[in-house]
Amino acid sequence: SSELAQDPAVSVALGQTVRITCQGYSLRNYYTSWYQQKSGQAPVLVFSGKNNRPSGIPDRFSGSRSGSTASLTITGAQAEDEADYFCNSRDSSGFLLLGGGTKLTVL
Amino acid sequence: QVTLRESGPALVKPTQTLTLTCTFSGFSLGTSGLCVSWLRQPPGKALEWLARIDWDDAKYYSASLKTRITISKDSSKKQVVLTMTNMDPADTATYYCARTILPAYDLDFWGQGTLVTVSS
Repeated sequence: SSELAQDPAVSVALGQTVRITCQGYSLRNYYTSWYQQKSGQAPVLVFSGKNNRPSGIPDRFSGSRSGSTASLTITGAQAEDEADYFCNSRDSSGFLLLGGGTKLTVL
Repeated sequence: QVTLRESGPALVKPTQTLTLTCTFSGFSLGTSGLCVSWLRQPPGKALEWLARIDWDDAKYYSASLKTRITISKDSSKKQVVLTMTNMDPADTATYYCARTILPAYDLDFWGQGTLVTVSS
């Protein structure tokens, strides 16, 4: 099992807003980063733990955190956003933690 | 321009040792806050973090694999090497290296991945 909990699958209608969540106690104290992985491709960082988007990532992707839950919000989901999304953070010993991933379907 | 590329055997036999090399460019692994991580993804499954090596040569290993894996770096060659002993068919996966930035633990650049199949 993964150290950070994510819903296995989420769906969203084209053009609507979707929130993908990541839960874990360590998220209260440490940054959470978000990645998109399309089928057969390497993951891509879409939202940094430092609360910003890497160059080239559309501004419809945003991140937030409340307590032990971090969220990636896609405002106005596009067909090309259909992918797996996963989160990562760290634990108190400096080890990297990963979420199990959420499969996003755009209807 | 930051790039990373994994290389190594596509097929290994059970009980053999796997050696993978991550060759990178566009950054120095001697820069404070920069690290390289190895991760893997079995077909159809979630990513698993394996190991990380930091700019100061600190090393971190997955608790479940720490007896089998070793990470090292050659900064002059711009390479990070992962070795995994006693390979098993369950280790069949795509192996990725990724630049890691502290303190956010962002995996901001990834290699394309290399598929390693463990089979006799």
